[in-house]
Amino acid sequence: AQSVTQLGSHVSVSEGALVLLRCNYSSSVPPYLFWYVQYPNQGLQLLLKYTSAATLVKGINGFEAEFKKSETSFHLTKPSAHMSDAAEYFCAVSFSRTGFQKLVFGTGTRLLVSP
Amino acid sequence: SAVISQKPSRDICQRGTSLTIQCQVDSQVTMMFWYRQQPGQSLTLIATANQGSEATYESGFVIDKFPISRPNLTFSTLTVSNMSPEDSSIYLCSGGAGASTDTQYFGPGTRLTVL
Repeated sequence: AQSVTQLGSHVSVSEGALVLLRCNYSSSVPPYLFWYVQYPNQGLQLLLKYTSAATLVKGINGFEAEFKKSETSFHLTKPSAHMSDAAEYFCAVSFSRTGFQKLVFGTGTRLLVSP
Repeated sequence: SAVISQKPSRDICQRGTSLTIQCQVDSQVTMMFWYRQQPGQSLTLIATANQGSEATYESGFVIDKFPISRPNLTFSTLTVSNMSPEDSSIYLCSGGAGASTDTQYFGPGTRLTVL
């Protein structure tokens, strides 16, 4: 069955530390992958996406993610956390490579950043 | 890109009543979607709102409970009918061009509490 898994409902880092948020998918065909961020009381905003071009994808706010087919992963990283990065992060997958897009979301990871 | 607004931003409703949520996009989009985000959980797709025709519902969601309209390419409504406390959630709409690689743009959500 096709699914997407985010390990860790909460991740805590100190300001300036590396951020690593994990996302794995289960699919026989490599899907298209997205990371969205949700700030409190706001909608989702796209951070970055993988669409079969470069496997290392750079996004907004200094985030990047690497698609690893052998590991079926698309982990999100940022070298140095900032207080403003505290939010909920969702990995989403479009398993359909043709036709209209339907996104399947992971359960989300709440990033906590301490001074 | 597209900017999406929703009305109301939040509401508290009584059991057995219905609430209609409006979603407005600032530009024409091919696809519009409605999601539910239950407390502490991820987003679940309710349906795809089709312009000028009946919405396409996901498994577990039915038209009688969640009637959807989409009279044009920039506007859609979702009605939550005969509400119960289990319907307490954040309801989000999104829109986009619709291809598998395209970005979906999200509204800020409507926070619904049913007493």
